[in-house]
Amino acid sequence: AQSVTQLDSQVPVFEEAPVELRCNYSSSVSVYLFWYVQYPNQGLQLLLKYLSGSTLVKGINGFEAEFNKSQTSFHLRKPSVHISDTAEYFCALIAGANNLFFGTGTRLTVIP
Amino acid sequence: DTAVSQTPKYLVTQMGNDKSIKCEQNLGHDTMYWYKQDSKKFLKIMFSYNNKELIINETVPNRFSPKSPDKAHLNLHINSLELGDSAVYFCASSVREGNEQYFGPGTRLTVT
Repeated sequence: AQSVTQLDSQVPVFEEAPVELRCNYSSSVSVYLFWYVQYPNQGLQLLLKYLSGSTLVKGINGFEAEFNKSQTSFHLRKPSVHISDTAEYFCALIAGANNLFFGTGTRLTVIP
Repeated sequence: DTAVSQTPKYLVTQMGNDKSIKCEQNLGHDTMYWYKQDSKKFLKIMFSYNNKELIINETVPNRFSPKSPDKAHLNLHINSLELGDSAVYFCASSVREGNEQYFGPGTRLTVT
């Protein structure tokens, strides 16, 4: 069985400050990892993905994430956030041939 | 040129009614999915279809039935709606099982 844990349900941060959204996973087989963003009243948009290769993955809107196999983590980072980054962020994984399994989400609120 | 589209965007109906939500993807993907997002933003897969065959059916009530007239469409039919069915329903598609998924904008269903 697999699981995705997002320990922080809410993260407030001031505009132009750095942010890290934490994601830990558990799986007995190799995984693909994803971060999705959901803006208010909208669908999910893929931010970035890790399939293989370099453990540092860059995505859209200045976000990046690092796959750490030993710590089973895939934390999302941005060096300087904007008001427009306020949204719900979901970490997700695919293990084997199974389907996408989501974490519970982290609400990022950027404070002016 | 929306990749994954859903109709309607909002659906308000009374308990006991039967309703359908339509989903279309123009990406040429082989697999389509339905997810339910509850009031706490938790996303859970309901169904997935691969080449018109149901390949996953999570523990959802049999009042919910996916219908796929062709590879580009996966509609969700719900019979005898209940208050607990109120949620946002997302359609998604992927090239094949185990690949990244692209989401539609969601359908907010409210049962009164």
